[in-house]
Amino acid sequence: GAVVSQHPSWVICKSGTSVKIECRSLDFQATTMFWYRQFPKQSLMLMATSNEGSKATYEQGVEKDKFLINHASLTLSTLTVTSAHPEDSSFYICSASLPSGGSHYEQYFGPGTRLTVT
Amino acid sequence: AQRVTQPEKLLSVFKGAPVELKCNYSYSGSPELFWYVQYSRQRLQLLLRHISRESIKGFTADLNKGETSFHLKKPFAQEEDSAMYYCALGHSWGKLQFGAGTQVVVTP
Repeated sequence: GAVVSQHPSWVICKSGTSVKIECRSLDFQATTMFWYRQFPKQSLMLMATSNEGSKATYEQGVEKDKFLINHASLTLSTLTVTSAHPEDSSFYICSASLPSGGSHYEQYFGPGTRLTVT
Repeated sequence: AQRVTQPEKLLSVFKGAPVELKCNYSYSGSPELFWYVQYSRQRLQLLLRHISRESIKGFTADLNKGETSFHLKKPFAQEEDSAMYYCALGHSWGKLQFGAGTQVVVTP
């Protein structure tokens, strides 16, 4: 159980275009989902926290108008990279959070989406 | 400031040797700490959490609040332990702050 999927797994787009990445919790409902960015040989950096039915909370330094997050249902969150530039090329990973007892949560990660902007 | 520090980028050990991955943190409240592992071409997955105090795949980690550390240890490394390991600090609602990661290479 607790599987998170992402689509697409790999996308190439041209500079100036927008691309949407989907994150789905397949067998559970996720009130909270997270979006991370990972550069080659580097750690995951949290971009934003996405709560179902409300606006996403962005980390400092992340442009909310560039990285649009929508969490319209308990099983789907989307990240849209608008007006993409080559420097947006990266590995984008989502995760979904499930309560695991008391005030504790456990995150389940998607397989990631490789974005290449040409 | 809240921080997670993994000082070693790469750890190379021989099969059967002990392995210890260091993690230090700074956090103003009561920390919740995790170790995540990412095997080659696989997604990130939870290895250990400090509240569980269990051993997974032979790995253990003890939270030392005095030294603000949560080091990961295994007495006898196996080749299948070769992977990227991330220490993570948990915030509210499950939000995670990751360390830089340590690449473990176990050679036969």
